[in-house]
Amino acid sequence: GEDVEQSLFLSVREGDSSVINCTYTDSSSTYLYWYKQEPGAGLQLLTYIFSNMDMKQDQRLTVLLNKKDKHLSLRIADTQTGDSAIYFCAERLVGGATNKLIFGTGTLLAVQP
Amino acid sequence: DAGVIQSPRHEVTEMGQEVTLRCKPISGHNSLFWYRQTMMRGLELLIYFNNNVPIDDSGMPEDRFSAKMPNASFSTLKIQPSEPRDSAVYFCASSLVPGGQETQYFGPGTRLLVL
Repeated sequence: GEDVEQSLFLSVREGDSSVINCTYTDSSSTYLYWYKQEPGAGLQLLTYIFSNMDMKQDQRLTVLLNKKDKHLSLRIADTQTGDSAIYFCAERLVGGATNKLIFGTGTLLAVQP
Repeated sequence: DAGVIQSPRHEVTEMGQEVTLRCKPISGHNSLFWYRQTMMRGLELLIYFNNNVPIDDSGMPEDRFSAKMPNASFSTLKIQPSEPRDSAVYFCASSLVPGGQETQYFGPGTRLLVL
């Protein structure tokens, strides 16, 4: 089945690290993505990881992938108030003529000053 | 690049009226997706096109919804007649397939309110 799950809320203090978690069910996923949605805006791609990688780092962002447990996480170092947004993980399903993505429910990150 | 362009950005209409949402994908992209976002159901894929051909419309709620892609640079999502439960934010996204990670790029969305 196709299902991507995330916790709904995360609250952190400015300067702390944030860790947003995601679990998925399709073991054949090739790419996994993190998108950010700010209030009133569309989804913006933050980063992605290929399924044969365990970790990817991009400035303040670190993505960890545990294929065995089908667990994906996004760590934001030195979280800022501007990081407050909804974060979606998504998996790309294999097969078919194009790349259908299955999105999680989104995690609302609230950064307290 | 201007990114994915959607119009209108906001639409307020009365129940029973026809609503047409428009999307211009990123130039050179060959896949286009329509999503709907609500508080209750989150982000739902309604339909997607590849090379202007509808591939999967299983997410379209009912016959009141229809989508077309007459050419590579334009798509419409039409709701006729509209109902209050159609109120949501509708996103269009595009990508290039095949093309590495085949990232989907989202437009800013159309916020629809049906009274």
